[in-house]
Amino acid sequence: NAGVTQTPKFQVLKTGQSMTLQCAQDMNHEYMSWYRQDPGMGLRLIHYSVGAGITDQGEVPNGYNVSRSTTEDFPLRLLSAAPSQTSVYFCASSYSGQGAVKQYFGPGTRLTVT
Amino acid sequence: ILNVEQSPQSLHVQEGDSTNFTCSFPSSNFYALHWYRWETAKSPEALFVMTLNGDEKKKGRISATLNTKEGYSYLYIKGSQPEDSATYLCAFNNAGNMLTFGGGTRLMVKP
Repeated sequence: NAGVTQTPKFQVLKTGQSMTLQCAQDMNHEYMSWYRQDPGMGLRLIHYSVGAGITDQGEVPNGYNVSRSTTEDFPLRLLSAAPSQTSVYFCASSYSGQGAVKQYFGPGTRLTVT
Repeated sequence: ILNVEQSPQSLHVQEGDSTNFTCSFPSSNFYALHWYRWETAKSPEALFVMTLNGDEKKKGRISATLNTKEGYSYLYIKGSQPEDSATYLCAFNNAGNMLTFGGGTRLMVKP
């Protein structure tokens, strides 16, 4: 199993550009989520999904969209990039949304917005 | 927004030292507490998920305890090794679908 994969690993955007961060998992996990990691702030939840066709907002959803058309994929869209979105983005999955289940993380995407 | 705090923010120890750090979380509506180990340039990996007050979990030289009534968990590392150098994250769940992470404790073990 490849586990959780993310592409790209690095990306530089100009303010106002849009892009999609890809996330895929091959573990047949129902629950998928996106976090951003900023210095001194740990991981903050952006959006999550408890199954195909179902998404919900996390702690910091503004400026991001998600969709979940298949169990495997959970792309994160930046609609109009801003410097405040410079961060490292992690996708995670688990077999259910229950809080007592460990999360499997992808390798991360480092995004810089100039 | 739930308040999950970790202390200290960073820690330098010598190889062979034992060390511990703290995760504080809301004591109400507790469901689960996670610990993750995050090495530089890698992704976070789960160490423990604890759900019961008084839980103790162990994985090699690393162990964790849980006190849900007072809202804290300790992570202990016995005989630290350079390969233990990493950021240790805790995350709190209150039975919803969201994990709230603390800011992490960055451990550096000097040979």
